[in-house]
Amino acid sequence: NAGVTQTPKFQVLKTGQSMTLQCAQDMNHEYMSWYRQDPGMGLRLIHYSVGAGITDQGEVPNGYNVSRSTTEDFPLRLLSAAPSQTSVYFCASSSSGDTQYFGPGTRLTVL
Amino acid sequence: GQQVMQIPQYQHVQEGEDFTTYCNSSTTLSNIQWYKQRPGGHPVFLIQLVKSGEVKKQKRLTFQFGEAKKNSSLHITATQTTDVGTYFCAGQNTGNQFYFGTGTSLTVIP
Repeated sequence: NAGVTQTPKFQVLKTGQSMTLQCAQDMNHEYMSWYRQDPGMGLRLIHYSVGAGITDQGEVPNGYNVSRSTTEDFPLRLLSAAPSQTSVYFCASSSSGDTQYFGPGTRLTVL
Repeated sequence: GQQVMQIPQYQHVQEGEDFTTYCNSSTTLSNIQWYKQRPGGHPVFLIQLVKSGEVKKQKRLTFQFGEAKKNSSLHITATQTTDVGTYFCAGQNTGNQFYFGTGTSLTVIP
């Protein structure tokens, strides 16, 4: 079991560029979520999904899109990157709200 | 909206001293989870509390969930250098969302 994997580990973007952060899990978990972590602010939920084909917004969804076409994958899309989206992004999965398993994170810098 | 406050933000202790971090929610929670994040790492699940007044222990760590299910604490007895990291609580309401506290960064001075 690889658990939760995220790619890339690091990314630098220019303002206005788009990109997709990848997240995959091999534990057959229904629940997946994306968080961003900023200094002094803990982890804030961006979007989450309770199963394939179902997504919902979290606390800070603006500027981000998600889709869940399979149980395994939950990509996060930035359509037009802004400096305010500089952050560390974590993907997590769990079995219906139980223990959340986090991926290693993606450190994103937007210039 | 849902808020989970955590104090203190930072704590420096001498090795062997005790440490406590507190978590307070503005609304009643269905459960609360605690995570530890080492510097440069990702959050790692420690425990989940579900019942009102619940107390759970893991070696030197003691976790409590308040009677009203709006607050929780994590207490570490006789800290060691391996305890260094940031401790987060995460409260879940009746929906599917988890709301993380801002975290307490623990430094242990040998």
